[in-house]
Amino acid sequence: QLQLQESGPGLVNPSETLSLICTVTGGSISSSSYYWAWVRQPPGKGLEWIGSIYYSGGTFYNPSLKSRVIISIDTSKNQFSLRLNSVTAADTALYYCARLTTAIVAFDFWGQGTLVIVSS
Amino acid sequence: QSALTQPASLSGSPGQSITISCTGTSSDIGSYNLVSWFQQHPGKAPKLMIYEGTKRPSGVSNRFSGSKSGNTASLTISGLQAEDEAEYYCCSYAGSSTHVFGPGTKVTVL
Repeated sequence: QLQLQESGPGLVNPSETLSLICTVTGGSISSSSYYWAWVRQPPGKGLEWIGSIYYSGGTFYNPSLKSRVIISIDTSKNQFSLRLNSVTAADTALYYCARLTTAIVAFDFWGQGTLVIVSS
Repeated sequence: QSALTQPASLSGSPGQSITISCTGTSSDIGSYNLVSWFQQHPGKAPKLMIYEGTKRPSGVSNRFSGSKSGNTASLTISGLQAEDEAEYYCCSYAGSSTHVFGPGTKVTVL
């Protein structure tokens, strides 16, 4: 049974860097059949695609966040990570990691999400 | 990359049908048959309901159907049930391995 689990600090100071890890269990992150993505949801608001990474390390970012985002992958640990720098209160959100299956180009598996609050 | 547009809310009585629209541009919905729809209940992660515009994943009720015309995709829920009350999001591939979501539609079952 595939599972995705987000982890990381729940509170980040303004202007600092938000760092999250997604641990994938029950399946290999090294498969060529998938991309691995981060999606966020501010409280009471809609979903926003942040970016995706392929097992080979190729990355793709939302143009509105591209200057502040780095997504990386560690196939040895079956994990991928998100770093978002220079955060503000507007980055407060529930952060989800998700799997995108290339054959259908859809996010078909999601983690439960982790809430990150940006505040001093 | 602009967000897709959806009605903020829709409602219907049990047994009725409702249709949620999702309007994009010629750069996303209009260029690709790669619209997906997600159902999200409060406090839960999104659940994939439709992919490639019209296809249902295994286990999703056939009361859910998708379609597309031009730059607009639609999700129809037939035979509305209490459990269908949720937020629904559309998502489109936008080229160069990027994706864009709609703002969500809150569906209320009266």
